[in-house]
Amino acid sequence: GAVVSQHPSWVICKSGTSVKIECRSLDFQATTMFWYRQFPKQSLMLMATSNEGSKATYEQGVEKDKFLINHASLTLSTLTVTSAHPEDSSFYICSARDTSHVSGGFYEQYFGPGTRLTVT
Amino acid sequence: SQQGEEDPQALSIQEGENATMNCSYKTSINNLQWYRQNSGRGLVHLILIRSNEREKHSGRLRVTLDTSKKSSSLLITASRAADTASYFCATDALGGNTPLVFGKGTRLSVIA
Repeated sequence: GAVVSQHPSWVICKSGTSVKIECRSLDFQATTMFWYRQFPKQSLMLMATSNEGSKATYEQGVEKDKFLINHASLTLSTLTVTSAHPEDSSFYICSARDTSHVSGGFYEQYFGPGTRLTVT
Repeated sequence: SQQGEEDPQALSIQEGENATMNCSYKTSINNLQWYRQNSGRGLVHLILIRSNEREKHSGRLRVTLDTSKKSSSLLITASRAADTASYFCATDALGGNTPLVFGKGTRLSVIA
């Protein structure tokens, strides 16, 4: 199946600094990418949707100036958490979809392994 | 936005017993998927059931889907300690390129 990678798998940063998380589709072209956030013992919450070459669409309550998303190529999307604070500590999971390929009447969505962010 | 509700939120059973988790959702769907997540790890895709299917099996897993009630269930038979994890349903809504929306999940503990 399709593979999505994330880097780094975990990161610790100091409060006030910025951190960038990369999401790559390794064997397919990700025309659409999604970023989710998961707090401990909770479910995945969608943060934003990005289409290659377009600005990301953010879910209600997600600050677009704080969580910068760049989807400049068909295989790479980045999420930058700017001026991170301890409350941003979370598990960030990206997901990618190849909308040029329909499987059984729908587009499959593939998940990366996640990035654990800890802000001290 | 989160549209799925899982029930129960937590489930503790003995090894060898069956575990049943339920999921309800709100909108019309293309398909419904179940995922497993071990603590602190990524998602593992378990099974996908299409909107025109009512039941699907994969090994010890059995999934049912009732689109009239907008609900699904995941049954794990003959549970093992290694099945201890959180289980999430995720719905793929009708209407094109919309993201999977996850339920709140069920934390399953299988005691050896």
